[in-house]
Amino acid sequence: DQQVKQNSPSLSVQEGRISILNCDYTNSMFDYFLWYKKYPAEGPTFLISISSIKDKNEDGRFTVFLNKSAKHLSLHIVPSQPGDSAVYFCAVTTQGGSEKLVFGKGTKLTVNP
Amino acid sequence: NAGVMQNPRHLVRRRGQEARLRCSPVKGHSHVYWYRQLPEEGLKFMVYLQKENIIDESGMPKERFSAEFPKEGPSILRIQQVVRGDSAAYFCASSPLGLAGGNNEQFFGPGTRLTVL
Repeated sequence: DQQVKQNSPSLSVQEGRISILNCDYTNSMFDYFLWYKKYPAEGPTFLISISSIKDKNEDGRFTVFLNKSAKHLSLHIVPSQPGDSAVYFCAVTTQGGSEKLVFGKGTKLTVNP
Repeated sequence: NAGVMQNPRHLVRRRGQEARLRCSPVKGHSHVYWYRQLPEEGLKFMVYLQKENIIDESGMPKERFSAEFPKEGPSILRIQQVVRGDSAAYFCASSPLGLAGGNNEQFFGPGTRLTVL
């Protein structure tokens, strides 16, 4: 029973273009959402987050959008760079709860030069 | 300022042996989380600890697995009598703030890759 779904196992884009990674969740109690980036043989690295009181958060080339009614969030990377090639995990949690992160299965992004 | 440290990075055990995984959180962080990642899967929460206390162990298997975070020293995840299905990457994360912090960012270590033969 997956509470967080990343339906695209992989995504390939050209350098300089936009990368859009998607994530759906099932439980409306989740109120804090994070994106992590992971290289092989390393731990996940925090990228960007958004609280449920917002619908957009931007940090440099990375923007996260949250659609609470659709229980959907997306990560936009623009322009994409070859160094962005990694597995991206969406994670959700409930502030004030047990604080455990619930992860999706990840999307492997490949940015081609 | 060192990040989360985990050791060993790779651990090989035969069925029935014990595995001990260590995690030193970021200096000053008093909240530690353990996650397990099976091949082709996302990370799955196992346990959340604060110093000397287990706060949430809802993701821990009921048998053979235990975790501690003593007042001094690293957090330990212990797996007794390992089986092949325990083979996975085990990640530790730490955060500086708990329930009152409002920022759920967790910093992850590089992981321990456990292989059970």
